[in-house]
Amino acid sequence: QKEVEQDPGPLSVPEGAIVSLNCTYSNSAFQYFMWYRQYSRKGPELLMYTYSSGNKEDGRFTAQVDKSSKYISLFIRDSQPSDSATYLCAMSAKLTGGGNKLTFGTGTQLKVEL
Amino acid sequence: SQTIHQWPATLVQPVGSPLSLECTVEGTSNPNLYWYRQAAGRGLQLLFYSVGIGQISSEVPQNLSASRPQDRQFILSSKKLLLSDSGFYLCAWTPGHWNTEAFFGQGTRLTVV
Repeated sequence: QKEVEQDPGPLSVPEGAIVSLNCTYSNSAFQYFMWYRQYSRKGPELLMYTYSSGNKEDGRFTAQVDKSSKYISLFIRDSQPSDSATYLCAMSAKLTGGGNKLTFGTGTQLKVEL
Repeated sequence: SQTIHQWPATLVQPVGSPLSLECTVEGTSNPNLYWYRQAAGRGLQLLFYSVGIGQISSEVPQNLSASRPQDRQFILSSKKLLLSDSGFYLCAWTPGHWNTEAFFGQGTRLTVV
């Protein structure tokens, strides 16, 4: 079983739709949760990060964490064609040598159509 | 503000040739530095990380090595490339304390032919 599971999609939605992206994880040591957006042939760009269970909102984006269920979500409201990208969830745990290790999901490819 | 630079953006190398990819971070000191490889359908795989000059930890055995000659410089190398080394390589940094978000460079698309 992978430490982080993410539906690869592709997911296609019409402009203006609400998008729900999800990840599940198995490692209880994960304490920090992030969502990245990656455009084709570019490095991942940090969208949201959160430490605790609950919701965190930033504009059209809402990140949700449920530690008891080991489940995180990213909601995109009023989706736009410019939101078309691959979305990666990531979770952080401390490395024994110092620093922190991010474990990523495989990414969900999203296409928002006009 | 902090920025991360990674180069080259694309690289085509023959099998058996050496490799050197460079990453530098500006606007911060004592960052934690990381090399990831991204393969289609497999997400990002952590290859190496460094918490200080000369301190390198390897996550997976492979044909690659990493070095950190200066505080904000991280280099990924190989003496002889294999076809299986092809992929998208990403450098990332986090501040020098744990459990925080990582910031990525723009990546290097390596094709070994």
